[in-house]
Amino acid sequence: QSALTQPRSVSGSPGQSVTISCTGTSSDVGYHEHVTWYQQHPGKVPKVMIYDVSKRPSGVPDRFSGSKSGNTASLTISGLQAEDEADYHCCSYAGTYGYVFGTGTKVTVL
Amino acid sequence: QVQLVQSGAEVKKPGASVKVSCTASGYTLTNHYVHWVRQAPGQGLEWMGTINPSGTGTKYAQKLQGRVTMTRDTSTSTVYLDLSSLTSDDTAEYFCASEVADTFYFDYWGQGTLVSVSS
Repeated sequence: QSALTQPRSVSGSPGQSVTISCTGTSSDVGYHEHVTWYQQHPGKVPKVMIYDVSKRPSGVPDRFSGSKSGNTASLTISGLQAEDEADYHCCSYAGTYGYVFGTGTKVTVL
Repeated sequence: QVQLVQSGAEVKKPGASVKVSCTASGYTLTNHYVHWVRQAPGQGLEWMGTINPSGTGTKYAQKLQGRVTMTRDTSTSTVYLDLSSLTSDDTAEYFCASEVADTFYFDYWGQGTLVSVSS
Protein backbone atom coordinates (compact mmCIF):
# COMPACT_ATOMS: atom_id res chain seq x y z
CA GLN A 1 0.00 0.00 0.00
CA SER A 2 1.66 3.23 -1.13
CA ALA A 3 1.48 6.47 0.83
CA LEU A 4 -1.19 8.95 -0.17
CA THR A 5 0.19 11.89 -2.16
CA GLN A 6 0.18 15.34 -0.61
CA PRO A 7 1.96 18.52 -1.70
CA ARG A 8 5.17 19.00 0.23
CA SER A 9 4.25 22.53 1.27
CA VAL A 10 1.60 25.22 0.96
CA SER A 11 1.64 28.77 2.22
CA GLY A 12 -0.66 31.72 2.68
CA SER A 13 -0.96 35.07 4.40
CA PRO A 14 -3.05 35.53 7.54
CA GLY A 15 -6.72 35.64 6.65
CA GLN A 16 -6.27 33.81 3.36
CA SER A 17 -7.47 30.30 2.55
CA VAL A 18 -5.27 27.33 1.71
CA THR A 19 -6.25 23.89 0.46
CA ILE A 20 -4.23 20.71 0.87
CA SER A 21 -4.92 17.77 -1.42
CA CYS A 22 -4.52 14.09 -0.58
CA THR A 23 -4.61 11.69 -3.52
CA GLY A 24 -5.00 7.96 -3.10
CA THR A 25 -6.59 5.14 -5.05
CA SER A 26 -9.94 3.45 -5.50
CA SER A 27 -8.93 1.05 -2.70
CA ASP A 28 -8.55 3.69 -0.02
CA VAL A 29 -9.62 7.34 -0.39
CA GLY A 30 -11.88 6.59 -3.34
CA TYR A 31 -13.68 3.68 -1.67
CA HIS A 32 -13.98 4.50 2.01
CA GLU A 33 -15.57 7.47 3.78
CA HIS A 34 -13.00 7.36 6.57
CA VAL A 35 -10.45 10.04 5.72
CA THR A 36 -8.88 11.82 8.69
CA TRP A 37 -6.72 14.93 8.79
CA TYR A 38 -4.15 15.34 11.57
CA GLN A 39 -2.34 18.51 12.55
CA GLN A 40 1.14 18.15 14.02
CA HIS A 41 3.17 21.01 15.45
CA PRO A 42 6.96 20.52 15.75
CA GLY A 43 7.80 18.16 18.56
CA LYS A 44 4.15 17.46 19.31
CA VAL A 45 1.85 14.52 18.71
CA PRO A 46 -0.75 14.56 15.93
CA LYS A 47 -4.20 15.97 16.64
CA VAL A 48 -7.42 15.15 14.79
CA MET A 49 -8.79 18.13 12.86
CA ILE A 50 -11.23 16.35 10.51
CA TYR A 51 -12.57 12.80 10.51
CA ASP A 52 -14.89 10.87 8.19
CA VAL A 53 -13.92 13.22 5.32
CA SER A 54 -15.70 16.31 6.63
CA LYS A 55 -16.62 16.01 10.32
CA ARG A 56 -15.00 18.28 12.89
CA PRO A 57 -14.33 17.09 16.46
CA SER A 58 -15.51 19.28 19.29
CA GLY A 59 -13.07 22.14 19.86
CA VAL A 60 -11.70 22.33 16.32
CA PRO A 61 -12.33 25.78 14.78
CA ASP A 62 -14.86 25.87 11.95
CA ARG A 63 -12.28 27.45 9.64
CA PHE A 64 -11.09 23.86 9.08
CA SER A 65 -13.18 21.91 6.57
CA GLY A 66 -12.79 18.71 4.60
CA SER A 67 -14.16 17.26 1.38
CA LYS A 68 -13.60 14.45 -1.07
CA SER A 69 -14.00 13.92 -4.81
CA GLY A 70 -13.10 10.58 -6.35
CA ASN A 71 -9.69 9.45 -5.14
CA THR A 72 -8.72 12.88 -3.75
CA ALA A 73 -9.56 14.32 -0.35
CA SER A 74 -8.95 17.94 0.56
CA LEU A 75 -8.48 20.00 3.70
CA THR A 76 -9.23 23.71 3.52
CA ILE A 77 -8.15 26.21 6.14
CA SER A 78 -10.11 29.45 5.78
CA GLY A 79 -9.01 32.63 7.50
CA LEU A 80 -5.49 31.34 8.06
CA GLN A 81 -4.01 32.15 11.47
CA ALA A 82 -0.46 32.04 12.77
CA GLU A 83 -1.20 29.05 15.00
CA ASP A 84 -2.25 27.03 11.93
CA GLU A 85 1.38 26.80 10.86
CA ALA A 86 2.11 23.08 11.24
CA ASP A 87 2.41 19.81 9.37
CA TYR A 88 -0.81 18.23 8.16
CA HIS A 89 -1.20 14.52 7.47
CA CYS A 90 -4.13 12.83 5.79
CA CYS A 91 -4.98 9.23 6.60
CA SER A 92 -7.42 6.86 4.94
CA TYR A 93 -8.90 3.57 6.04
CA ALA A 94 -7.94 0.96 3.44
CA GLY A 95 -9.99 -2.07 4.38
CA THR A 96 -7.96 -5.27 4.54
CA TYR A 97 -4.77 -3.22 4.23
CA GLY A 98 -5.52 -1.30 7.39
CA TYR A 99 -4.70 2.39 7.15
CA VAL A 100 -2.49 4.50 4.94
CA PHE A 101 -1.10 7.96 5.70
CA GLY A 102 -0.24 10.74 3.31
CA THR A 103 3.25 12.08 2.67
CA GLY A 104 2.56 15.15 4.83
CA THR A 105 2.25 18.86 4.02
CA LYS A 106 3.94 21.76 5.76
CA VAL A 107 1.68 24.81 6.03
CA THR A 108 3.51 28.11 6.35
CA VAL A 109 1.78 31.32 7.38
CA LEU A 110 3.60 34.17 5.66
CA GLN B 1 -6.34 13.08 32.75
CA VAL B 2 -6.65 10.78 29.78
CA GLN B 3 -3.34 9.83 28.27
CA LEU B 4 -1.25 7.07 26.79
CA VAL B 5 2.18 6.71 28.39
CA GLN B 6 4.97 5.03 26.43
CA SER B 7 8.25 3.52 27.55
CA GLY B 8 11.52 5.38 27.14
CA ALA B 9 13.95 5.82 24.29
CA GLU B 10 15.90 2.84 23.00
CA VAL B 11 19.22 2.47 21.20
CA LYS B 12 19.68 -0.79 19.31
CA LYS B 13 22.22 -2.38 17.01
CA PRO B 14 21.25 -3.64 13.56
CA GLY B 15 19.70 -7.09 13.72
CA ALA B 16 18.41 -6.64 17.25
CA SER B 17 14.79 -6.44 18.44
CA VAL B 18 12.98 -3.73 20.39
CA LYS B 19 9.89 -3.84 22.60
CA VAL B 20 7.93 -0.65 23.30
CA SER B 21 5.07 -0.42 25.77
CA CYS B 22 2.02 1.85 25.84
CA THR B 23 -0.14 2.15 28.98
CA ALA B 24 -3.48 3.94 29.27
CA SER B 25 -3.87 6.35 32.15
CA GLY B 26 -7.14 7.98 33.14
CA TYR B 27 -9.18 5.55 31.04
CA THR B 28 -9.29 1.92 30.09
CA LEU B 29 -8.80 0.55 26.62
CA THR B 30 -11.77 -1.80 26.97
CA ASN B 31 -13.44 -0.68 23.77
CA HIS B 32 -10.41 0.64 21.94
CA TYR B 33 -8.25 -0.55 19.13
CA VAL B 34 -4.64 0.47 19.66
CA HIS B 35 -2.52 1.37 16.66
CA TRP B 36 1.19 1.91 16.26
CA VAL B 37 2.41 4.69 14.00
CA ARG B 38 6.01 5.65 13.35
CA GLN B 39 7.70 8.74 12.01
CA ALA B 40 11.24 8.70 10.68
CA PRO B 41 13.23 11.93 11.18
CA GLY B 42 11.80 14.69 9.00
CA GLN B 43 9.33 12.30 7.38
CA GLY B 44 5.59 11.64 7.39
CA LEU B 45 3.60 9.23 9.49
CA GLU B 46 3.54 5.51 8.73
CA TRP B 47 0.83 3.17 10.03
CA MET B 48 2.39 -0.04 11.35
CA GLY B 49 -0.57 -2.05 12.56
CA THR B 50 -3.31 -2.46 15.13
CA ILE B 51 -4.57 -4.79 17.84
CA ASN B 52 -8.24 -5.24 18.70
CA PRO B 53 -9.82 -4.50 22.11
CA SER B 54 -9.62 -8.08 23.36
CA GLY B 55 -6.11 -8.63 22.10
CA THR B 56 -7.20 -11.61 20.05
CA GLY B 57 -6.77 -10.01 16.65
CA THR B 58 -4.07 -8.01 14.90
CA LYS B 59 -3.55 -6.45 11.49
CA TYR B 60 -0.11 -5.39 10.31
CA ALA B 61 1.18 -3.26 7.46
CA GLN B 62 2.30 -5.52 4.62
CA LYS B 63 5.85 -4.20 4.57
CA LEU B 64 6.35 -5.13 8.23
CA GLN B 65 4.77 -8.60 8.11
CA GLY B 66 7.05 -11.13 9.75
CA ARG B 67 8.96 -8.55 11.80
CA VAL B 68 6.22 -6.94 13.87
CA THR B 69 4.15 -8.32 16.74
CA MET B 70 1.56 -6.44 18.79
CA THR B 71 0.21 -7.79 22.06
CA ARG B 72 -1.85 -6.42 24.89
CA ASP B 73 -2.41 -7.05 28.58
CA THR B 74 -6.03 -6.09 29.21
CA SER B 75 -5.59 -6.33 32.98
CA THR B 76 -3.12 -3.43 32.94
CA SER B 77 -4.41 -1.57 29.85
CA THR B 78 -0.96 -1.97 28.30
CA VAL B 79 -0.14 -2.68 24.69
CA TYR B 80 3.26 -3.81 23.42
CA LEU B 81 5.03 -3.42 20.09
CA ASP B 82 7.80 -5.87 19.19
CA LEU B 83 9.91 -5.15 16.11
CA SER B 84 12.69 -7.53 15.13
CA SER B 85 15.61 -7.60 12.65
CA LEU B 86 16.13 -3.86 13.04
CA THR B 87 17.94 -1.83 10.40
CA SER B 88 18.83 1.85 10.22
CA ASP B 89 15.58 2.37 8.30
CA ASP B 90 13.70 1.57 11.52
CA THR B 91 15.16 4.62 13.27
CA ALA B 92 12.05 6.66 14.09
CA GLU B 93 9.70 8.02 16.72
CA TYR B 94 7.15 5.34 17.52
CA PHE B 95 3.67 6.40 18.66
CA CYS B 96 0.80 4.37 20.02
CA ALA B 97 -2.68 5.76 19.39
CA SER B 98 -6.13 4.64 20.46
CA GLU B 99 -9.31 4.40 18.42
CA VAL B 100 -12.73 3.93 19.93
CA ALA B 101 -13.88 0.78 18.18
CA ASP B 102 -14.96 1.37 14.60
CA THR B 103 -14.65 5.16 14.61
CA PHE B 104 -11.68 4.94 12.19
CA TYR B 105 -9.62 7.77 13.64
CA PHE B 106 -7.00 7.94 16.37
CA ASP B 107 -8.13 10.20 19.18
CA TYR B 108 -5.45 9.80 21.86
CA TRP B 109 -1.74 9.47 21.17
CA GLY B 110 1.19 8.46 23.31
CA GLN B 111 4.09 10.88 23.73
CA GLY B 112 6.31 8.89 21.38
CA THR B 113 9.32 6.62 21.88
CA LEU B 114 12.50 7.28 19.93
CA VAL B 115 14.13 4.11 18.65
CA SER B 116 17.59 4.62 17.22
CA VAL B 117 19.31 1.84 15.29
CA SER B 118 23.02 2.25 14.83
CA SER B 119 26.13 0.11 14.79
